[in-house]
Amino acid sequence: QVQLQESGPGLVKPSETLSLTCTVSGGSVSSYYWSWLRQPPGKGLEWIGYIYNSGSTNFNPSLKSRVTISVDTSMKEFSLKLKSVTAADTAVYYCARGHCSGGGCFPRNKYSGSYYFDQWGQGTLVTVSS
Amino acid sequence: DIQMTQSPSSLSASVGDRVTITCQASQEINNYLNWYQQKPGKAPKLLIYDASNLETGVPSRFSGSGSGTDFTFTITSLQPEDIATYYCQQYDDLPLTFGGGTKVEIK
Repeated sequence: QVQLQESGPGLVKPSETLSLTCTVSGGSVSSYYWSWLRQPPGKGLEWIGYIYNSGSTNFNPSLKSRVTISVDTSMKEFSLKLKSVTAADTAVYYCARGHCSGGGCFPRNKYSGSYYFDQWGQGTLVTVSS
Repeated sequence: DIQMTQSPSSLSASVGDRVTITCQASQEINNYLNWYQQKPGKAPKLLIYDASNLETGVPSRFSGSGSGTDFTFTITSLQPEDIATYYCQQYDDLPLTFGGGTKVEIK
């Protein structure tokens, strides 16, 4: 059974870069949409972005200018960097596996399959504060 | 972005009650919709994919329906362990977006 585990600092100063790593155990990091999501305290879920096939990335336009997602297949881990953080970036950050049942999910076409987040990390709270 | 509007934002029901949550998309999304359950302090868990398909291992009291812009999630007989917040999520287009959530409590 695949397991995901986030790691990284729980406290980041304003204007600095938030860096998190997700370690994947029990499975391959190939052929899935390895994703980051976040949830501010008491609020809903926001998709940050994904990396697919070890190189193709896509990000939420609201964060695109500040986000980098990379993958290290040999280490079975993928990482998130969010630069120039503010208090508004305080949230529980989740890594998740995006499963696509067809031949590629985005952009969607008549051959695209189902897409869902089927495995999640436990989440890690990152607080932005001086 | 496709906006997902869930209602109600919270509800209180008795054990054994039928619970219904709706999710409306701001544009047609075919059946490209998933439902997740999130218990306090935990990560979300996939319950329903493609609007109506039950994820393996999920109890059959959970179900989903709908297509286009209007979707429904139902718990046919509410159990104490179903206390959680439920989210819909569309994957018709990027960015992937979620509904605001429905918090389900026991009366």
